[in-house]
Amino acid sequence: ETGVTQTPRHLVMGMTNKKSLKCEQHLGHNAMYWYKQSAKKPLELMFVYSLEERVENNSVPSRFSPECPNSSHLFLHLHTLQPEDSALYLCASSLTTVTSTDTQYFGPGTRLTVL
Amino acid sequence: KQEVTQIPAALSVPEGENLVLNCSFTDSAIYNLQWFRQDPGKGLTSLLLIQSSQREQTSGRLNASLDKSSGRSTLYIAASQPGDSATYLCAVKAAGNKLTFGGGTRVLVKP
Repeated sequence: ETGVTQTPRHLVMGMTNKKSLKCEQHLGHNAMYWYKQSAKKPLELMFVYSLEERVENNSVPSRFSPECPNSSHLFLHLHTLQPEDSALYLCASSLTTVTSTDTQYFGPGTRLTVL
Repeated sequence: KQEVTQIPAALSVPEGENLVLNCSFTDSAIYNLQWFRQDPGKGLTSLLLIQSSQREQTSGRLNASLDKSSGRSTLYIAASQPGDSATYLCAVKAAGNKLTFGGGTRVLVKP
């Protein structure tokens, strides 16, 4: 088990619901990431946070809203999603965003299904 | 825009055979390349990280090579075991610790 945990592990929601995904890292890292893994598509970076500041927003629709209250926690707030948003959402953390030797450590992911 | 391609998309071998997984990338301006393993329904586990100045990295039965000029990396897994069955992903890192992933190679090692 890695030092990155995600809850819930599975989530089914309707298009009008509002839900949140939670990620927590116990590694003392300063950078956290959200990725989306859809069927038949490569893993895509969504957001990057460094020291609680968003440093990357990879053209993600506004129905996905990230929040990083501190360096150990990262949330992804979801509202009015579409069925094509169904995917595995992975959280990762690394010591920094600038050092080329930093490895990203991944959580187990949240399997999201939008009905 | 960096693009990462992994061939083949799926691979099935009998136990004991060596595995060869290929990864290619279009922009050679990378900091490093990583190989990850993903088991069904789980997150990614880092296997090997090769810096852009290195040619290869080894860990146990795993060996990864990097030819930055040609935009290629190969992951070799010696004497495969059923426990090696998983999806293997390669990712290249550019500025800002941004990883670009390939589509993965799904490996099945038959006992």
